[in-house]
Amino acid sequence: AQTVTQSQPEMSVQEAETVTLSCTYDTSENNYYLFWYKQPPSRQMILVIRQEAYKQQNATENRFSVNFQKAAKSFSLKISDSQLGDTAMYFCAFMKQGSSGTYKYIFGTGTRLKVLA
Amino acid sequence: DTAVSQTPKYLVTQMGNDKSIKCEQNLGHDTMYWYKQDSKKFLKIMFSYNNKELIINETVPNRFSPKSPDKAHLNLHINSLELGDSAVYFCASSQLWVGAAGELFFGEGSRLTVL
Repeated sequence: AQTVTQSQPEMSVQEAETVTLSCTYDTSENNYYLFWYKQPPSRQMILVIRQEAYKQQNATENRFSVNFQKAAKSFSLKISDSQLGDTAMYFCAFMKQGSSGTYKYIFGTGTRLKVLA
Repeated sequence: DTAVSQTPKYLVTQMGNDKSIKCEQNLGHDTMYWYKQDSKKFLKIMFSYNNKELIINETVPNRFSPKSPDKAHLNLHINSLELGDSAVYFCASSQLWVGAAGELFFGEGSRLTVL
């Protein structure tokens, strides 16, 4: 069974600094997808960034980038120039196609990030 | 327009009652989900429907019954509510293609409190 591990329950970073959130996963599959979602205090889950496992190039979205190490099964999120609005829970998620065409998204336990003024 | 909308957003009820949460998506997605987020923020899949057909049914008590009248709607009915059912329930949708997959679009969540 696939598992997703986020080893940092809480982190803090000074405004304008850079922070990296770690995520590791366990799978025997070769083709899958990885995501980072953000859940601010408003509760709405928002996609931050997405990575296809078959792509070697790391995904980037403005201030957000990932370090995808497929062999190590690691998928860390780097937030550059942190802003107060980045304060949120961040969830790493793994998705693959299962049997009978089903798709299952498995989430990590989350990292609570606080950006300090 | 809200892409995935859930109602109600807050629900407080007594043990033993029956309640429903409704979800609608206007994204044209084929697949919809219900997730439960507990007090520790752990997100766990409950159900998934693809074109009105149940495709994922995790180990969830029979008191929980999803219903999908059409592919834009997925409702969750809970019978005989228990204290442990208190959580935030998220509806989500995604569009999936052969050999590819889209991200999940979430509703705002429905906070259920059972007293």
